[in-house]
Amino acid sequence: AQSVTQLDSQVPVFEEAPVELRCNYSSSVSVYLFWYVQYPNQGLQLLLKYLSGSTLVKGINGFEAEFNKSQTSFHLRKPSVHISDTAEYFCAVIESGGSYIPTFGRGTSLIVHP
Amino acid sequence: EADIYQTPRYLVIGTGKKITLECSQTMGHDKMYWYQQDPGMELHLIHYSYGVNSTEKGDLSSESTVSRIRTEHFPLTLESARPSHTSQYLCASSEPGQGGTDTQYFGPGTRLTVL
Repeated sequence: AQSVTQLDSQVPVFEEAPVELRCNYSSSVSVYLFWYVQYPNQGLQLLLKYLSGSTLVKGINGFEAEFNKSQTSFHLRKPSVHISDTAEYFCAVIESGGSYIPTFGRGTSLIVHP
Repeated sequence: EADIYQTPRYLVIGTGKKITLECSQTMGHDKMYWYQQDPGMELHLIHYSYGVNSTEKGDLSSESTVSRIRTEHFPLTLESARPSHTSQYLCASSEPGQGGTDTQYFGPGTRLTVL
């Protein structure tokens, strides 16, 4: 069965600085990978997803993520963050050939300081 | 823009009460889900449905039940609430994606506190 590890529970960063949120997964088969964002008092919404093809995936709000099969990682990056990026970020994985219901990580709280 | 609604948004009740958390979506999605979310923890799947009259238990053992009589409606019921049920409950629906890789759309959640 698949599992997802988000290595950092909290990432503080100053506005306009770059940020990387780390995600590693474990699976014995091919996977599909997702990043969701949850703003305070809201549900999760999709930031980006990797299904196949180019390993560099661009999402909304200037975020991008790179799929690295050898390192089983799918880290999320943004070159310059804004205060409005303060939120909880969840990595999720779906195993190919399974139930196609995602398994979520514990989330990383991104805190952007002015 | 996804349209999925949950009511109530906040609920504080006493132990032993029966409660129903409502979830509705207007997107015509067949698949719907209930997750339990606690701070610093993974989202845990507690129930899901592939369509009308289909319901399945998820990975997390739960004392709740669900029903799916209409496509747009997926309520979750706790027959007798306990303090251990205190949590945030997220409802989601999904649209079909490539090879079954559905994108999920989430409601805003219901924060339940059982005293």
